[in-house]
Amino acid sequence: QKEVEQNSGPLSVPEGAIASLNCTYSDRVSQSFFWYRQYSGKSPELIMSIYSNGDKEDGRFTAQLNKASQYVSLLIRDSQPSDSATYLCAVILRDTGRRALTFGSGTRLQVQP
Amino acid sequence: IAGITQAPTSQILAAGRRMTLRCTQDMRHNAMYWYRQDLGLGLRLIHYSNTAGTTGKGEVPDGYSVSRANTDDFPLTLASAVPSQTSVYFCASRVLAGDYNEQFFGPGTRLTVL
Repeated sequence: QKEVEQNSGPLSVPEGAIASLNCTYSDRVSQSFFWYRQYSGKSPELIMSIYSNGDKEDGRFTAQLNKASQYVSLLIRDSQPSDSATYLCAVILRDTGRRALTFGSGTRLQVQP
Repeated sequence: IAGITQAPTSQILAAGRRMTLRCTQDMRHNAMYWYRQDLGLGLRLIHYSNTAGTTGKGEVPDGYSVSRANTDDFPLTLASAVPSQTSVYFCASRVLAGDYNEQFFGPGTRLTVL
């Protein structure tokens, strides 16, 4: 089992809709979860981090963490064409000296005008 | 402007040649990382350094080496490039104080090995 799993998509939503992106993770994951956005040909950019169960809101973005189900999601309200990108879920694994982020393979989001 | 710079932006390299990808950060972050990104495989960690003078292996270290002589620089060397090392390479850095710190990425180097 991969440590972090995402549906590759593409996820297509109309402009103005809510986009829901999901990520599941293994037991090896610590308590830190991150969502990065990556535009084509660009580097990943952090948009949300979440460390405790429940919801965390920042503007149009809401991250939701459910540790019992080992599930973290990202909701994008009022989706805009400029939100079209690949969204990467990232975690820190326990019991390694690396402390580096481990990434899912990403979900491509397409927002249709 | 604070951040991470990488050089070159892109490179085409003949197989068997030696190549060093450069990475410099001016944020005084103690931890630095090298990832490669391939279609369908996502970002995979090559090597890391938690502090100047120390380095460690990531998921895919074979064929690569790194050094960390000081806080700011973290070069990645391909001793003898092979076509499977064709990829986009990202350098990243982070303050290593608990798990609650943002990891920043450089702009990337697109490498093609022929």
